Amino acid sequence: DAKTTQPPSMDCAEGRAANLPCNHSTISGNEYVYWYRQIHSQGPQYIIHGLKNNETNEMASLIITEDRKSSTLILPHATLRDTAVYYCIVRASGVTNAGKSTFGDGTTLTVKP
Amino acid sequence: GAGVSQSPSNKVTEKGKDVELRCDPISGHTALYWYRQSLGQGLEFLIYFQGNSAPDKSGLPSDRFSAERTGGSVSTLTIQRTQQEDSAVYLCASSLSPGPDTQYFGPGTRLTVL
Repeated sequence: DAKTTQPPSMDCAEGRAANLPCNHSTISGNEYVYWYRQIHSQGPQYIIHGLKNNETNEMASLIITEDRKSSTLILPHATLRDTAVYYCIVRASGVTNAGKSTFGDGTTLTVKP
Repeated sequence: GAGVSQSPSNKVTEKGKDVELRCDPISGHTALYWYRQSLGQGLEFLIYFQGNSAPDKSGLPSDRFSAERTGGSVSTLTIQRTQQEDSAVYLCASSLSPGPDTQYFGPGTRLTVL
């Protein structure tokens, strides 16, 4: 699986948009970009995923560059409860590769009042 | 509906003992994954099941680690002769099918080896 790199930490003011970047320059054509977050002492929570098109759901938006080498997770109106570690991962499709999700160290997002 | 559940939530054991960790995936999910998370670290992939078979065991750190899944549902991760470096949170996830389907994670089992 492609490796991802993320900044170790970011701050965001409550109510403002949080933009979390991720580089995945070695991503291959069949790999999806996934975002999860982990609030202290809990299991990771799925946020959003995409292949090449931008995606939006009730939690966030995902912007993937045209060359697919980087992406940005956008939380449009951050709240204090969004404080968490955010993981960007890439996963290959297919049965034999399905398990290999490499989670890096993630970005610790701190939303401040 | 019920999410992924894991038991026990916490386990303290002595070095050299064997431990079993259990995962109950979401009903109907055919794919099941085990991960390990050491303090302050990201998630380390251990093993993946599709049904009862494990096409990918590459992440198991040593032959002291084994896992099985019976009936395409519950999975057990067994660590034999535990070592202090095995101390971590062990997370289980399931997905409807393998590939890009969303993985849903359980709350984890915190293992402490004294």
